[in-house]
Order: sequence, then structure tokens, then C-alpha cells
Amino acid sequence: EPEVTQTPSHQVTQMGQEVILRCVPISNHLYFYWYRQILGQKVEFLVSFYNNEISEKSEIFDDQFSVERPDGSNFTLKIRSTKLEDSAMYFCASRRPEAYEQYFGPGTRLTVT
Amino acid sequence: AQKITQTQPGMFVQEKEAVTLDCTYDTSDPSYGLFWYKQPSSGEMIFLIYQGSYDQQNATEGRYSLNFQKARKSANLVISASQLGDSAMYFCAMREGAGGFKTIFGAGTRLFVKA
Repeated sequence: EPEVTQTPSHQVTQMGQEVILRCVPISNHLYFYWYRQILGQKVEFLVSFYNNEISEKSEIFDDQFSVERPDGSNFTLKIRSTKLEDSAMYFCASRRPEAYEQYFGPGTRLTVT
Repeated sequence: AQKITQTQPGMFVQEKEAVTLDCTYDTSDPSYGLFWYKQPSSGEMIFLIYQGSYDQQNATEGRYSLNFQKARKSANLVISASQLGDSAMYFCAMREGAGGFKTIFGAGTRLFVKA
């Protein structure tokens, strides 16, 4: 059964550094999403992406964040200058155009020190 | 304003019994959808069930059913015949609008299944 994959599973970085989190959505899915979950808290929407552009973003998704689909399979989230409060689990999700349910990847745990 | 409310931070259920996890929502958009996701201790998010605002019947998926009461703005998850593997965090979520791009999650309910 196809699934969303994410790399790396765990990333440790120093404050102020740039990080790129990678996702490979399910191949016939056209809508892509990033969420984050700070430890012990609820899942928060960051951004949705469709047709090679951002379709919606939350107030969390400020100028420090960007997303890209550099090729036909990868979907990336970049944080330009990480802060301590960016430490969280970051989930990528994707969905088919004809359905609403989103399928999540296993997540990347980002630790900013 | 919080749009998804899960009032039960933790719930206990005996194995093989049914359990209802509560979820209420708030939206002024006539087109919306409601989801339930399961998050085991391993951390992944597993899609369980979806209900669209225009769906006439309550959604069911195996042992999961969604008790959708539109007038009361509630979308409770019912798990029948609980199993030990059902112990996890459960999140209710909502998408608004026909495009359905943004999904908002509730705070979650941690379910403990007792043997």
C-alpha cells in the first residue's frame, strides 16, 4: 500500500541554522500539506500546496518558512533561521483530488538547540 | 476562536466494550468536513473516518462510526468492541470550504483500553 514518506526521521540543528524537511507524497495525490505538533500539544496546520503554489497558510507560516516541489515526487519545507520554538514534530500529508482524507507521513522530529 | 472542541482529555474503556469520543465544532461555512485521526504512541497519524457536511448518512469504517449531529454541531467517534491496540490519542479535525485546504485539529482525547 502506498504511503507518504519523510526524511530525516530526526533532525537536530542549532538555532539560526536553515533546515529542509523532505517528503515524498503518495504518487497520485495532488494536494500536499505540512503540519507541526509541539510535544504533547495538538496538531497545527502550517500550509497547503496545490498546482505548484500555496493554496492556504496559517499565521504560523511566516517569512521564515517556505515550501517547494522541486521535482515530480518531493515536497519540501524549509525553515530559514530556526528558533528554539520551532522544535516540534513536522508532518507532511497528501490527498487525492477526489477525496478529502489526508494521509500523513511518519513525521520528522526537529530539535533546535 | 477554537473551532474544534474535544472535552475529554482522557477516557478509559474495558476491552470489547464500545466507547464514544466527543467532538464539537463551530463553523459558519455550509460546506465542511470532519475527520478523526488516531495517533498511537509511535507518533504517526492514522486516518480513521470522514464525514462531509452534506452526507445524509453517518460514516462508518469497520469498528469506527461517526455520530454526526449537524444541528448540535457534534461529530462523535464511536469505537465498537474496543481492542488493546485502540489505546492511543484520537484527534477530531475539520476542513472548511469546498476547497478544503485548511484542516484544524482539536486538542485530542487519550483513550486507554483496559484488559
